[in-house]
Amino acid sequence: AQSVTQPDIHITVSEGASLELRCNYSYGATPYLFWYVQSPGQGLQLLLKYFSGDTLVQGIKGFEAEFKRSQSSFNLRKPSVHWSDAAEYFCAVGAPGGATNKLIFGTGTLLAVQP
Amino acid sequence: GAVVSQHPSWVICKSGTSVKIECRSLDFQATTMFWYRQFPKQSLMLMATSNEGSKATYEQGVEKDKFLINHASLTLSTLTVTSAHPEDSSFYICSAGGGGGRNIQYFGAGTRLSVL
Repeated sequence: AQSVTQPDIHITVSEGASLELRCNYSYGATPYLFWYVQSPGQGLQLLLKYFSGDTLVQGIKGFEAEFKRSQSSFNLRKPSVHWSDAAEYFCAVGAPGGATNKLIFGTGTLLAVQP
Repeated sequence: GAVVSQHPSWVICKSGTSVKIECRSLDFQATTMFWYRQFPKQSLMLMATSNEGSKATYEQGVEKDKFLINHASLTLSTLTVTSAHPEDSSFYICSAGGGGGRNIQYFGAGTRLSVL
C-alpha cells in the first residue's frame, strides 16, 4: 500500500535561511509526487509536481524538490525563506495509471518563520 | 487557470439540520471531484471520490447516508451533511481532478462547519 511520511511535524527557520522539508514515500514503483501548501483556514495550493524525467523540479514561489529514487524521497527546498512562507506543507503521492486518481497525503509539516 | 470555488466558506448550523456545500471548477471540466475532511492540525482525510453522473465512492468508515455527495455536472459537486451533529464540526475541503490521468488535484478554499 502507498504511504507518505513527513518526519518533521513542526519546523522553525529564520527569515532568509534555507529550508528543506522531508518527504519519504512507500510505493512499488515511481509514483507521481506532489507538494502542496496550506495557509491557515485555506485550501491547498499546488507548489510543484513530479511525474518523470528530470529529478529536480521547480515550482512556484521559489520552491524546488528533488526526487531520489534510491532514498524514496521527494524533499522540498527553498534557498531563502520569506515570512510569507509560514504555512503547512503537505507531500502527496499518486499512483500512475490508477483508476481513481487518488492522492495519499502525508501528515504535514508546519513551518514557522522567525524574523 | 484551474480554479476551484467552494461555498460557503463558513457555516454555522443547529444540531439536526442539514448543510449543503458546493464545489465548482470554474475554468475546467472535472470528471472527478474529491471530498476531504480535515481535523485541526491534522492531514486531509479522503471521504469520497465522485465521478460525474455516477454514484460516489466512499472511503471505509465514512457514512454515505450521513454525507451525501452529488456530482451532477462536470463542474459541480455537492456534499450534504445530513442531520448534522457537533461531532460533524470540521473543515471540509473539495478538490477537482485536473484530468490527464496524472492525479493533479486543484483544491477549493474549504468550508468550516460548526454544528451547535
